[in-house]
Amino acid sequence: AQSVTQLGSHVSVSEGALVLLRCNYSSSVPPYLFWYVQYPNQGLQLLLKYTSAATLVKGINGFEAEFKKSETSFHLTKPSAHMSDAAEYFCAVSDQSSAGYQKVTFGTGTKLQVIP
Amino acid sequence: DSGVTQTPKHLITATGQRVTLRCSPRSGDLSVYWYQQSLDQGLQFLIQYYNGEERAKGNILERFSAQQFPDLHSELNLSSLELGDSALYFCASSGTSGGPTDTQYFGPGTRLTVL
Repeated sequence: AQSVTQLGSHVSVSEGALVLLRCNYSSSVPPYLFWYVQYPNQGLQLLLKYTSAATLVKGINGFEAEFKKSETSFHLTKPSAHMSDAAEYFCAVSDQSSAGYQKVTFGTGTKLQVIP
Repeated sequence: DSGVTQTPKHLITATGQRVTLRCSPRSGDLSVYWYQQSLDQGLQFLIQYYNGEERAKGNILERFSAQQFPDLHSELNLSSLELGDSALYFCASSGTSGGPTDTQYFGPGTRLTVL
């Protein structure tokens, strides 16, 4: 069964510092991996996704993630944190269900706090 | 704005009652997914529909049911409500293939409070 593990339910960084949110997956090959962001009182929004093309994936708002098969990881990074990045971030893995359609498993989420 | 709409935004009801949550997917999307988000359980997949047919089930209780109508909107019915059903319920939709690389577009959610 597919799963994702997000290390750290809360991460705090200073404004301007590197953001690193960790995600490890367990899935059959090939895994399809996603990062979603949830701002307060809103639904989830896609940041980026890996679909077996380039291993370094660039997303919106300056975020990127690197797929590392040897480490079964898909960590999310941003070089310089902004106050507006404060939100909850979800890593997700997608696979086809037995019926042939998308089945997504979300991680438990990491709340990012940005300190001025 | 994701293009996915959900009504109502907030719902307050009593234990034992029945409620219906409504979702309209993005124009052209055939797949609809329902999720429950709570503090203790996190984001849990409930059920998926594709073009009117149920395609995948997750951690959906027997007291809960859903359907997708010919116009592709979907409803999630929650009955015999318990305090523990209080949560945010999200609907998401995805593109025509319903395949594993599809991006899911989430609605703003319905916050259900059971008193």
